[in-house]
Order: sequence, then structure tokens, then C-alpha cells
Amino acid sequence: KQEVTQIPAALSVPEGENLVLNCSFTDSAIYNLQWFRQDPGKGLTSLLLIQSSQREQTSGRLNASLDKSSGRSTLYIAASQPGDSATYLCAVSGNTGKLIFGQGTTLQVKP
Amino acid sequence: DADVTQTPRNRITKTGKRIMLECSQTKGHDRMYWYRQDPGLGLRLIYYSFDVKDINKGEISDGYSVSRQAQAKFSLSLESAIPNQTALYFCATSDPTGGSYNEQFFGPGTRLTVL
Repeated sequence: KQEVTQIPAALSVPEGENLVLNCSFTDSAIYNLQWFRQDPGKGLTSLLLIQSSQREQTSGRLNASLDKSSGRSTLYIAASQPGDSATYLCAVSGNTGKLIFGQGTTLQVKP
Repeated sequence: DADVTQTPRNRITKTGKRIMLECSQTKGHDRMYWYRQDPGLGLRLIYYSFDVKDINKGEISDGYSVSRQAQAKFSLSLESAIPNQTALYFCATSDPTGGSYNEQFFGPGTRLTVL
């Protein structure tokens, strides 16, 4: 059974820092991996999707990497801003499209 | 206008009542999903549908039923609500074809409280 773990559960950094969020999964037979952002009480916003054949994807200040063989993904946020404060969720899917989520990392960026 | 909408956004109901949560999408996606989110448990899949005639149980389908009325509409019903169904419910859609690679897009959520 696929399990997804995100470490750390919470992170607090000063504005301007570069930071890395970690995601690990137990079964390397994935179709893709998605990173989401969730603001308190709100829905999920898709940030990046990495196909199983890819190693990384970039969008603005965000860079996500995937090492399928080791069951790991990282989300790198450059030059963090207070507006980046949110919960970041990692999810993997097989080819049926069903997502298995990690529990998330709650990020606070202090001005 | 939002691509994936959910109604109602908030609902308070009593134990034993029947309740329906609705999801509509304008993305033209064939695949639709229902998840629930609980503190400490993350998001879990309740039901999913690949098209109008293809509906499947997810990880936690007991106590729930669904109806796919059209490509654009997917409803979740609680036949007899109980307090441990209090949660945040999300609908999502995806397109497995072309360059989308089944990326999922989520609605804003419905906060359901069962007293």
C-alpha cells in the first residue's frame, strides 16, 4: 500500500530564506507526483506536476524534483515571502489517477 | 468563474439526516473525484468516476454514495449523516489525455458539520 510522508510537519523561516520541503513515498511505481498549496480553510491549488519520467519542474520561485528510485521529492522555494505562508501537500498517483496524499508541511514565513 | 464549484460551501446538519453535496465543473474533464480532509488524517479518496457510466469506490466509501448526473456534475450523498462524517469535503477533476498527465484540479471545498 502506497504511503506518503512529508517532513517537517511545520516550518518557520524569516522572509528571504530559501527553503526545501520533503516528500517521500513507499512505492516507486507512480504515474506522477503533484505539489499543492492550501491556505487555511480553503481549497487546494496545484503548484507543480512531475511526470514519472521527469526529474524536475519549475514555476517561478518554485522548483520540484523527483527521484523515483529512492521514493523522494523535494519542493524548493526561493527567496521566501510572507505570502508563501500556507500548507504544502505532496500527492502521488498511479495510472488510475487516484491521489495518495501526505499530511502536509505548514510553512510560516515571518516578515 | 471558477472551473470547479461546490455547493453548499458550509452545511450544518443533524445526525440521521440525508445530505447531498454537489460538484460542477466547466473544465470538460471526464474524471471526477470526491475526497474528505480531516485534521491529522490528511485527504482521503471517497469515490471516483472516470465517466458517466464508470463509478468506483475509493479508500473510505462506507456511509457515502455518489451520482454522476452528467460529465460536468458529480454529487456525493450521505444517506444518514453521523458526527464522524464532520470534515472538509473536496471535489476534483482531471483529464488523463494529452499533456495534462491527469493533473487534478480541486474545488473550494464544503465544510460539513454533523451534530
